[in-house]
Amino acid sequence: GAGVSQSPSNKVTEKGKDVELRCDPISGHTALYWYRQSLGQGLEFLIYFQGNSAPDKSGLPSDRFSAERTGGSVSTLTIQRTQQEDSAVYLCASSETRYEQYFGPGTRLTVT
Amino acid sequence: AQSVTQLDSQVPVFEEAPVELRCNYSSSVSVYLFWYVQYPNQGLQLLLKYLSGSTLVESINGFEAEFNKSQTSFHLRKPSVHISDTAEYFCAVSTNQGGKLIFGQGTELSVKP
Repeated sequence: GAGVSQSPSNKVTEKGKDVELRCDPISGHTALYWYRQSLGQGLEFLIYFQGNSAPDKSGLPSDRFSAERTGGSVSTLTIQRTQQEDSAVYLCASSETRYEQYFGPGTRLTVT
Repeated sequence: AQSVTQLDSQVPVFEEAPVELRCNYSSSVSVYLFWYVQYPNQGLQLLLKYLSGSTLVESINGFEAEFNKSQTSFHLRKPSVHISDTAEYFCAVSTNQGGKLIFGQGTELSVKP
């Protein structure tokens, strides 16, 4: 079946602009995660959804970052007033159980 | 809180040689352990996992990892590597309640002919 998909695959934006990143999880997966991968910080957890609620937002680096999930499916990660340090690959993962997370290909964000 | 340390950032090895990628973790609660692989310009793929039971777990492409609770380690091994194993390998931990993964910094495995 279809895996986790993310769009866009690449995004270049100017400093100060807002961006939206989209994640389509595997159908039927109730849990959805956002991570960020950057050269300096490695792989960092951002936020976790169970259904439409977010019981763990502890990884969001600032209040410029927010995320929502609607209908227990698609999720959008929004970064407001982007900064150069936001440049990274943003990864989405979904899971059906507590055991395994399946990752999407990521969105490469470049802030100029 | 959990943490993961991958002791080697880069491991160069010749084709058909054995390899061990080291991973140590820290946690005050029971954990699940994972190895993920990221091939060049691709996403993360689950390689193998330890949930409970047998402490030795194997993947379909010849990798194995052993959970050692006393040493808090989950090292990844392969007896004979191929050029196609060249990739970055990430060790990760979650609590046994599931939820977020905490990743190590990654080990870049480079297999040379």
